[in-house]
Amino acid sequence: EADIYQTPRYLVIGTGKKITLECSQTMGHDKMYWYQQDPGMELHLIHYSYGVNSTEKGDLSSESTVSRIRTEHFPLTLESARPSHTSQYLCASSVRDSTDTQYFGPGTRLTVL
Amino acid sequence: SQELEQSPQSLIVQEGKNLTINCTSSKTLYGLYWYKQKYGEGLIFLMMLQKGGEEKSHEKITAKLDEKKQQSSLHITASQPSHAGIYLCGADNTGRRALTFGSGTRLQVQP
Repeated sequence: EADIYQTPRYLVIGTGKKITLECSQTMGHDKMYWYQQDPGMELHLIHYSYGVNSTEKGDLSSESTVSRIRTEHFPLTLESARPSHTSQYLCASSVRDSTDTQYFGPGTRLTVL
Repeated sequence: SQELEQSPQSLIVQEGKNLTINCTSSKTLYGLYWYKQKYGEGLIFLMMLQKGGEEKSHEKITAKLDEKKQQSSLHITASQPSHAGIYLCGADNTGRRALTFGSGTRLQVQP
């Protein structure tokens, strides 16, 4: 199994709060990704990074932001959480080859009340 | 419209039966990935296919890629309760970006 971690696994929070979802991998992968998935729905790419100081927006528009200061760390931040942000957030990483396998973390299930 | 269509959306089979899940891309495929997701967990990589006509097997799971039709199928032989979960196909349609995923197929295997 790949070594990619996400914390917290579950988060219930009130509207307006600032939250940060953590994602770390110990494989030295350059590429990292954030996906959003609602139950029974597609995985939507919201952010990705090719390496340190590189971040790009994905196919699905998101109010979240990301940063990549270290290779192993790719946190996602919501400045002001809203109920519409309730979803599961999955982090993934891969080696710097475009056809390489993506390894996924366990996900963070976020509920905004 | 979805770029990646999976069928069926859900499937219930009896233990020991064979089953097939299909994945069709509306765009050119540079790579097709199959993952399994258990409820509340992340995705577990199963197989990756890149070449037209390619076929890979792992234990009782076989995946094929028909490049001309931009389709892939995942076949499970003699299903077991441990095969239950959500199967997702992911497509690399540009060769440069992250994968696009289908909506998944929910598989239940009844003992």
